[in-house]
Amino acid sequence: IAGITQAPTSQILAAGRRMTLRCTQDMRHNAMYWYRQDLGLGLRLIHYSNTAGTTGKGEVPDGYSVSRANTDDFPLTLASAVPSQTSVYFCASSEYQSSEQFFGPGTRLTVL
Amino acid sequence: QQQVKQSPQSLIVQKGGISIINCAYENTAFDYFPWYQQFPGKGPALLIAIRPDVSEKKEGRFTISFNKSAKQFSLHIMDSQPGDSATYFCAASYYGGSQGNLIFGKGTKLSVKP
Repeated sequence: IAGITQAPTSQILAAGRRMTLRCTQDMRHNAMYWYRQDLGLGLRLIHYSNTAGTTGKGEVPDGYSVSRANTDDFPLTLASAVPSQTSVYFCASSEYQSSEQFFGPGTRLTVL
Repeated sequence: QQQVKQSPQSLIVQKGGISIINCAYENTAFDYFPWYQQFPGKGPALLIAIRPDVSEKKEGRFTISFNKSAKQFSLHIMDSQPGDSATYFCAASYYGGSQGNLIFGKGTKLSVKP
C-alpha cells in the first residue's frame, strides 16, 4: 500500500538521550516535511526538504536535525532530547513543495 | 504576512446541523487553500481545497467559501454527522511552486452530538 510509514509508533525517552525518528515514503514525492503537533498550537513545521540532497528550516528547528540522502527517507534526529520536545511528530510528503501533503500516522514521543 | 488565523478553536454542533469554520490570511500572493481533517490518533488528510479563481467549491456535504477581497475562506459542513467529529485545519500556500510551504491554521476541534 502506497503511503508514508513512520517508526517508532511511540517512544519514551530519557532527557539527554539521542533519538532518530524514521520516515519513509513510496510515492516518489519530491518534498518531505516534519511537523510537531501540540495541543492548542496546531501543526508546526520543524524541517523540510524540497528534493533529495536539500533541507531547510521550518518554524521550530532548534534541537532537531534532518538529512535527505535519497528520495524515500527523511529521518529526524534529536541530538539531546529535552522534555519540551515531548510531542506527536508527523512526517509528510508532497509532489511539489506546496501541493497536497500526505501525512504519516505519527510518532508519539515522551521525554522524561 | 505568513499567518493563517483559524476560528473557532472548538465547535459543538448537533447532528444534522451546519458546522462553519473560518480562516483568514494575510499574504495576498497565496493561491491554494486546502482544508485537512484529522481523526484522533491519525495523521491529517486532505479534505477539500480551493484556488482563488472560484468563490465556492462543493464536495458532497463539504463546501469551501472563498472571499478574496476579505482574505477569508471558510469550511461549511452541511448535515453534520457524529462521524465528522475531528480536528480541522485550514492552510494556505503558493500552489505547485517552490516559493513556500503550506502555512497551517491552529485547528478547530469539531464535536457533533447525536
